[in-house]
Amino acid sequence: QSVLTQPPSASGTPGQRVTISCSGSSSTIGSNTVNWYQHLPGAAPKLLIYSNNKRPSGVPDRFSGSKSGTSASLAISGLQSEDEADYYCATWDDSQNGVLFGGGTKVTVL
Amino acid sequence: QVQLVQSGAEVKMPGASVKVSCKASEYTFTNHAINWVRQAPGQGLEWIGWISTYQGNTNSAQKLQGRLTMTTDTSTSTAYLELRSLRSDDTAVYYCARSVVGTWGAFDIWGQGTVVTVSS
Repeated sequence: QSVLTQPPSASGTPGQRVTISCSGSSSTIGSNTVNWYQHLPGAAPKLLIYSNNKRPSGVPDRFSGSKSGTSASLAISGLQSEDEADYYCATWDDSQNGVLFGGGTKVTVL
Repeated sequence: QVQLVQSGAEVKMPGASVKVSCKASEYTFTNHAINWVRQAPGQGLEWIGWISTYQGNTNSAQKLQGRLTMTTDTSTSTAYLELRSLRSDDTAVYYCARSVVGTWGAFDIWGQGTVVTVSS
């Protein structure tokens, strides 16, 4: 069964740059685009990045995405207190014929 | 504004069924697929299925096939999720989410979530 592996946690001080990784396989990230979500407690998830590196309207350019081979990354520059949330990567899984989410990374602003 | 509004919280006994609705507004319903995603307590996000609002074809997570039915009513711009033979591990917040056209796994508009509790 395919998995997308994310670190369980990441942290930084205000103004710092934080990077979250998402590791997959040839049937997931290797052959499909990657999307990233921010999820605050009690709220619906919010799309931050789609198709590897595109930002929906209204998402600050502090958030950026990249993909290389079977891995992808989300970078948050100029970290702010309101960025404290859970972050998930997601992509299509060719082997399961469905969407696969990573396990999530909790970002803490110190 | 563009939004998805879901039905209210449900409490069900094990073995029962639940049907959650998701009403779209301020956009052309048939232009975007609807996905369903759930989050169990203390767990991450889990995709459970997708329905084409234009053609009605569906695709769901293998672990739920046989217990899950997704439908739409285009006359009211509403999508429905029905889950049968409920078990305690179906307890979760269930979200509907609109697909970004031309993508898989990119959901730009989300419902507010529906809490489904399965308990005897």
